[in-house]
Amino acid sequence: QQQVKQSPQSLIVQKGGISIINCAYENTAFDYFPWYQQFPGKGPALLIAIRPDVSEKKEGRFTISFNKSAKQFSLHIMDSQPGDSATYFCAASLRPNQFYFGTGTSLTVIP
Amino acid sequence: DVKVTQSSRYLVKRTGEKVFLECVQDMDHENMFWYRQDPGLGLRLIYFSYDVKMKEKGDIPEGYSVSREKKERFSLILESASTNQTSMYLCASNVPGGQETQYFGPGTRLLVL
Repeated sequence: QQQVKQSPQSLIVQKGGISIINCAYENTAFDYFPWYQQFPGKGPALLIAIRPDVSEKKEGRFTISFNKSAKQFSLHIMDSQPGDSATYFCAASLRPNQFYFGTGTSLTVIP
Repeated sequence: DVKVTQSSRYLVKRTGEKVFLECVQDMDHENMFWYRQDPGLGLRLIYFSYDVKMKEKGDIPEGYSVSREKKERFSLILESASTNQTSMYLCASNVPGGQETQYFGPGTRLLVL
């Protein structure tokens, strides 16, 4: 069963718009939540990560919002650019060395 | 700059063949991982290794084995390839403690005919 549920599967956004990708989890033992960005032909690369003791983390145009009570977290990409077009994966870590990934969201930013 | 390299970008094998996928990292990381990536399923952990000659099964180890004889090298072995092992295979590494950034290789796309 999927430990981390991610939606939507695909997303099309106009340049300058806000892209929002959502993830939900059940296991409250998860204590580290990274987001990875993957371009075609490349491996995933860490984009931004959060721990459950904070509700929001911002790095440039990328923000993670974390709702511990709802067991949900989301990635917001502000002022989306065509160069942001990629597949995004959320993940959750249960303990050292154990990562569970979402199913991925294919983002297309239209110029 | 950190680097994880995988021996092949694309591989085509026949059913029943023994397949070796090699991964090398130059960051002196203790932890190394093998995932497979399938559309709609995300990344699923096959095996990971936390030290030379040490390994643990991930979520989908069936049909796979691994070898780690040197710290920088982690090999994934398909003893007898089957068509349902057609997939993208990703290697990753990270530092001890395990919750820090995982660095991924570019992936090997394997087609089993």
